[in-house]
Amino acid sequence: NAGVTQTPKFRILKIGQSMTLQCTQDMNHNYMYWYRQDPGMGLKLIYYSVGAGITDKGEVPNGYNVSRSTTEDFPLRLELAAPSQTSVYFCASSRTDEAFFGQGTRLTVV
Amino acid sequence: AQSVAQPEDQVNVAEGNPLTVKCTYSVSGNPYLFWYVQYPNRGLQFLLKYITGDNLVKGSYGFEAEFNKSQTSFHLKKPSALVSDSALYFCAVRDPTNYGGSQGNLIFGKGTKLSVKP
Repeated sequence: NAGVTQTPKFRILKIGQSMTLQCTQDMNHNYMYWYRQDPGMGLKLIYYSVGAGITDKGEVPNGYNVSRSTTEDFPLRLELAAPSQTSVYFCASSRTDEAFFGQGTRLTVV
Repeated sequence: AQSVAQPEDQVNVAEGNPLTVKCTYSVSGNPYLFWYVQYPNRGLQFLLKYITGDNLVKGSYGFEAEFNKSQTSFHLKKPSALVSDSALYFCAVRDPTNYGGSQGNLIFGKGTKLSVKP
């Protein structure tokens, strides 16, 4: 059972470039989340989805977009990368109480 | 607004000694509390949760946590620490009033680095 899978694990972007962080889960969870983790700051919610076709903004959505065309996949799109988006990004999914996290994507914008 | 505080950036413990990682919370209504652990270059792993019931909650890897409503605390404990317990520990509270309705969002503390020395 793979759980939550994120790709890529590492990426370096130049300012202004775009990219998509992929996230897929095989647990048939309705709820999916994207968080960013900055040193000493805990995790902040970027976007979340309560099911296929339904997404909404979290605490820090600016500069990001998401889509949820299937239950399994929840990609995160960065359109115009900025240095402030340098962070570690985690995707998570849940059915009821506990969330399951992917291994993260370390993104550096230079 | 819901919030979580982890007052210690780092906790140092000798192997075999008991450990405590502190967490206090602020919520409106009944709290849904969680502990997660993060090993280097890995995602967060669920340790335990408190939803309702007994104040002492047992979780994975021998960890337990005590819910104290009067002190609004949910401290993580382990009777005998192992070197392999060294990691970053996050306390979290679910916010059922925001970001997703009944499932809500997890509001995380800043994390506490646990270092267990041989």
